[in-house]
Amino acid sequence: EVQLVESGGGLVQPGGSLRLSCAASGFTFNAYWMTWVRQTPGQGLEWVANIDQEEIEKYYVDSVKGRFTISRDNAKDSVYLQMNSLRIEDTGVYYCLRGAQVWGQGTLVTVSS
Amino acid sequence: DIQMTQSPSSLSASVGDRVTITCRASQGIRDDLAWFQQKPGKAPQRLIYTASYLQSGVPSRFSGSGSGTEFTLTISSLQPEDFATYYCLQHNSYPWTFGQGTKVEI
Repeated sequence: EVQLVESGGGLVQPGGSLRLSCAASGFTFNAYWMTWVRQTPGQGLEWVANIDQEEIEKYYVDSVKGRFTISRDNAKDSVYLQMNSLRIEDTGVYYCLRGAQVWGQGTLVTVSS
Repeated sequence: DIQMTQSPSSLSASVGDRVTITCRASQGIRDDLAWFQQKPGKAPQRLIYTASYLQSGVPSRFSGSGSGTEFTLTISSLQPEDFATYYCLQHNSYPWTFGQGTKVEI
């Protein structure tokens, strides 16, 4: 069974940092692009970042460029999202995706003082 | 950036109704569009990919059509488990962008 399990969310003050992790199983991880999407409170969905199979290509939404970094470890079947200089508007549920198909259950990030 | 305009933002329907949701792209995206269903407290699930291909395991009452700038998700006969919020996503170019969502209510 294809599965994605996110972790690392929590409460952080504005300006702080968090590192989200996503553990993949049930498929050949190094064959797929991976994606992070977030859903802000009461709002819709926003694509955050993509990474290719070899970490050569990375793409970000403008609002997180320079603050967030997507990475992966194919030996550990995991993808990460390092989030620095967090803002209140970064609050939301962060989902890990395999491409645009399979979603994890999400991890909640709350940025508040 | 490509803007995805989804309509309506909400609709009221009854079991057995035919429901149509539309997404319009601000520029052509070929058929690089997916549709997702999200129920409260759950992650979205893909229903349709490449505009018109039914995801394995999704009931055949769901269908997608369109290409270029106009796309449609149709539910041929609404079932109780279909009351949810639906989103489109364009993945033709970066940044990927979602529609604003359509909440289907009784």
